[in-house]
Amino acid sequence: AQKITQTQPGMFVQEKEAVTLDCTYDTSDPSYGLFWYKQPSSGEMIFLIYQGSYDQQNATEGRYSLNFQKARKSANLVISASQLGDSAMYFCAMKGIIQGAQKLVFGQGTRLTINP
Amino acid sequence: NAGVTQTPKFRVLKTGQSMTLLCAQDMNHEYMYWYRQDPGMGLRLIHYSVGEGTTAKGEVPDGYNVSRLKKQNFLLGLESAAPSQTSVYFCASKINQALNTEAFFGQGTRLTVV
Repeated sequence: AQKITQTQPGMFVQEKEAVTLDCTYDTSDPSYGLFWYKQPSSGEMIFLIYQGSYDQQNATEGRYSLNFQKARKSANLVISASQLGDSAMYFCAMKGIIQGAQKLVFGQGTRLTINP
Repeated sequence: NAGVTQTPKFRVLKTGQSMTLLCAQDMNHEYMYWYRQDPGMGLRLIHYSVGEGTTAKGEVPDGYNVSRLKKQNFLLGLESAAPSQTSVYFCASKINQALNTEAFFGQGTRLTVV
């Protein structure tokens, strides 16, 4: 079965520092996709970045980058030069075929707090 | 740019009452999902649909039913609400089964069952 694990329930970081949010996954599918979503206090889910299992390079989107280590089954999110507005819940998710249909499975989330 | 719209946004139910949550998307997406979000547990899949007229069970389907009579709408029903169903419910949709297509989420429905 597919599973996503985020081992950091909460993180506190000083503004302007870089931060790494951990995500490990488990799947037997050779083809899958990994996503990160941000959920601010307002509640909506905001898509941040995507990494495909066959992508040769790590994905980057502005200040967000994904440290994809396929052999270790990890897909950590790196936020450079953190800002106060980065304070939010962050969810790692994996998309793959489960029981013949595509599903998106989420981790438990990490609450990131940026301190001024 | 409506995207994915959930109604209602908030609701309080008494134990045993029934209600239906509506999810509407205007992007002609094939796949639609209902999740519930509980503290410390992330988002868990309740039911999903891979196209009009189809539904399937997710990770936590008990106590819920769904229907997808029209492509743009995915309804989540609670026949007899229980306090354990107090949660934030999210609907999501995606255009197709390609792995690199993102899921778009609604703004959530906060349901409290007393």
